[in-house]
Amino acid sequence: KNEVEQSPQNLTAQEGEFITINCSYSVGISALHWLQQHPGGGIVSLFMLSSGKKKHGRLIATINIQEKHSSLHITASHPRDSAVYICAVRSHNTDKLIFGTGTRLQVFP
Amino acid sequence: DSGVTQTPKHLITATGQRVTLRCSPRSGDLSVYWYQQSLDQGLQFLIQYYNGEERAKGNILERFSAQQFPDLHSELNLSSLELGDSALYFCASSVGWRNNEQFFGPGTRLTVL
Repeated sequence: KNEVEQSPQNLTAQEGEFITINCSYSVGISALHWLQQHPGGGIVSLFMLSSGKKKHGRLIATINIQEKHSSLHITASHPRDSAVYICAVRSHNTDKLIFGTGTRLQVFP
Repeated sequence: DSGVTQTPKHLITATGQRVTLRCSPRSGDLSVYWYQQSLDQGLQFLIQYYNGEERAKGNILERFSAQQFPDLHSELNLSSLELGDSALYFCASSVGWRNNEQFFGPGTRLTVL
């Protein structure tokens, strides 16, 4: 079993829909990152969380440390949100970064 | 533009060869991270340097090595290359050594023939 699991693996949505991507992890962490990888390959950091909730524009990220779970929400989705979304955690013990396998999102007009 | 630069953009080489990938972090960032992304393995963390010192190590092969120089740029050296080393190699930088936002470079695409 992977230390970081994401669901779903693939997601298709219509423009305007509310989207949720989930990330569960099994190790103790010091932080969790959400990344976005565009079709061209470039990677952008969306959020870094160690507790609670963060919001940036139409994106919201939450983390529940007790349940070892994080969610990334996209409100009013748009075709330009089409990308792969990757969850990564930093192990508290080893400081290693461990990645999920990503969620491929396609938003259609 | 993240402010992180990587050279070269593309590299094609043969098995058994050695290559060096270079990364310049954003101005003011002291940490540099190296990542490998292959088709079958996804993103993997290789190594982190902070202000010239190795800070954390991931699944980096013994054939690979890295260093961070006094001017804070970093190099990733890959030797005795194998077909399976073909991948995108990303560098990222951050201000601090632990829990800071990371800024990613555009990547170097390595093809080993």
